[in-house]
Amino acid sequence: AAGVIQSPRHLIKEKRETATLKCYPIPRHDTVYWYQQGPGQDPQFLISFYEKMQSDKGSIPDRFSAQQFSDYHSELNMSSLELGDSALYFCASSSPKRLESNRINNEQFFGPGTRLTVL
Amino acid sequence: AQTVTQSQPEMSVQEAETVTLSCTYDTSESDYYLFWYKQPPSRQMILVIRQEAYKQQNATENRFSVNFQKAAKSFSLKISDSQLGDAAMYFCAYRSAQNTGTASKLTFGTGTRLQVTL
Repeated sequence: AAGVIQSPRHLIKEKRETATLKCYPIPRHDTVYWYQQGPGQDPQFLISFYEKMQSDKGSIPDRFSAQQFSDYHSELNMSSLELGDSALYFCASSSPKRLESNRINNEQFFGPGTRLTVL
Repeated sequence: AQTVTQSQPEMSVQEAETVTLSCTYDTSESDYYLFWYKQPPSRQMILVIRQEAYKQQNATENRFSVNFQKAAKSFSLKISDSQLGDAAMYFCAYRSAQNTGTASKLTFGTGTRLQVTL
């Protein structure tokens, strides 16, 4: 089965440079989430999109922006990079699915992550 | 806001033995999902098991089972017959059962690193 694709898998940038991370959700998934996992830390929610509209925002710096395109892929743009931005960035995708209990399951499937190193 | 707490930074278990990882959470909601994710050295986030809060029955997936105590807001993971491949970081996570865009994010605990020894 197709999984979430993230590119690039590894990225090395200098301070004050910009970076663009891409996420291709599982086909027919309409929701994308971005998480940031610093070294030795748990993943922290950054931002999410549903049907190409921003749906929730977490602890995302103003230097970061993101969008979801008409084909549902998403890009996370990071400017004025700082050393502290070095982290693993996960993308997850989901699509509402009605369970046999008639409840809605919106399970998130994670991509392999992009490891960003800022020097 | 919801919080998830994992009080065991590291745990160790011998191969073929059983280990229990602890997780507590705080929420004012009555309907939600709880998850255990495994993160091996590859750093891939792998869903191990999911529990729906409205279900009283504890979820099980092969060698993995949970002890869900809703009143105590406790959600522990039991790994039976531990294998070397179980060595990883384990994260407990919470998600509201509301399906509006503002409520579907995952909130993670700080993780427990599990070592499996021979």
